[in-house]
Amino acid sequence: GNSVTQMEGPVTLSEEAFLTINCTYTATGYPSLFWYVQYPGEGLQLLLKATKADDKGSNKGFEATYRKETTSFHLEKGSVQVSDSAVYFCALSPRAGGYQKVTFGTGTKLQVIP
Amino acid sequence: EAQVTQNPRYLITVTGKKLTVTCSQNMNHEYMSWYRQDPGLGLRQIYYSMNVEVTDKGDVPEGYKVSRKEKRNFPLILESPSPNQTSLYFCASSLGGGQYEQYFGPGTRLTVT
Repeated sequence: GNSVTQMEGPVTLSEEAFLTINCTYTATGYPSLFWYVQYPGEGLQLLLKATKADDKGSNKGFEATYRKETTSFHLEKGSVQVSDSAVYFCALSPRAGGYQKVTFGTGTKLQVIP
Repeated sequence: EAQVTQNPRYLITVTGKKLTVTCSQNMNHEYMSWYRQDPGLGLRQIYYSMNVEVTDKGDVPEGYKVSRKEKRNFPLILESPSPNQTSLYFCASSLGGGQYEQYFGPGTRLTVT
């Protein structure tokens, strides 16, 4: 079956530091890949996505590139802010028609300190 | 405003007392799902629905029921809650599978004593 593996957290960074959160996946075919963010006390919301190999998703200074050869979708940001403190989830959705279950990683908590 | 709403947001109950968590979306989405979030386990799908009257089990359906009588509503029913169902629950909806993102509700924190 499909699976998503994220780096364990929590990750603690100083403001303006560079962020990388690793995500690798196992799936057949060419799934769509997502990063969702969960701020304290809220539901998940889409941060960015990529639907085919070599696509780069970007939003709010975050980027992730769909790497088919390494089955990875690592999240990066050049300079984090305190407001980026949240839990980040990597997820995949199979491309096949009809309903296909979305598989989520376990989440990585990020804490940014001033 | 496009949104998914859940009620209640917080609930403390006792073992065996039936409860329902409501979920409603105003985006005319076909697909709806229920997840539970537990520390170290991420999100696990409980049930999903592809359309009215079409529902199916996710990864952890035991102890839960759902119904989809209207497109916008997808309630989660715990007929006899137990302490191991203490968790944070999320409802989500989407236009479809594949490339479509999911829209999540704000969550329901359930404690069963």
